[in-house]
Amino acid sequence: NAGVMQNPRHLVRRRGQEARLRCSPMKGHSHVYWYRQLPEEGLKFMVYLQKENIIDESGMPKERFSAEFPKEGPSILRIQQVVRGDSAAYFCASSPTGDNQPQHFGDGTRLSIL
Amino acid sequence: QQQVKQSPQSLIVQKGGISIINCAYENTAFDYFPWYQQFPGKGPALLIAIRPDVSEKKEGRFTISFNKSAKQFSLHIMDSQPGDSATYFCAASSHGQNFVFGPGTRLSVLP
Repeated sequence: NAGVMQNPRHLVRRRGQEARLRCSPMKGHSHVYWYRQLPEEGLKFMVYLQKENIIDESGMPKERFSAEFPKEGPSILRIQQVVRGDSAAYFCASSPTGDNQPQHFGDGTRLSIL
Repeated sequence: QQQVKQSPQSLIVQKGGISIINCAYENTAFDYFPWYQQFPGKGPALLIAIRPDVSEKKEGRFTISFNKSAKQFSLHIMDSQPGDSATYFCAASSHGQNFVFGPGTRLSVLP
């Protein structure tokens, strides 16, 4: 399967804990995008990364959220001190280059905060 | 200005009919307009995309119509099938950045 892989598919955390969401892009893709989707809503852009660089983080909340895409390994979206409002589906997409190339999405991580 | 508006919110079509979903944008810097299909529990899948230098693009039963002056674009699904029942999102971006998605249209195709 050469698609975008996200794990875990489901993640349950208690308020105040940390959540780490992982995304492995398609082979040959060096651009990664993270989105958040609330129930019955569209996707909201969070952050756009290239290997070892954050290109655009204009959609990221200023506090508690961070993202990285290291030279080796998957991209990580990290949410510290989670709150109930962080419950959502988080999707990762990848593309081969950043210039209006089709984005290929993973099946998301469903984050539930107790 | 970054918003993409999408209508209708939900759509019911008989099998074999034409499904039409409309989107509108304000930001004239947008230069790429993809449509995505999403099934429950799955990630969005790219259906078809258009750039503003063409007014129409067709792939199989799916057609995008693009009106640059009106800043509107639409998805037409010809001969709609029950398997097309899903949520459809339009999106827009500028130079591969600033991806903005519409709120989605839930399509139900009745057998």
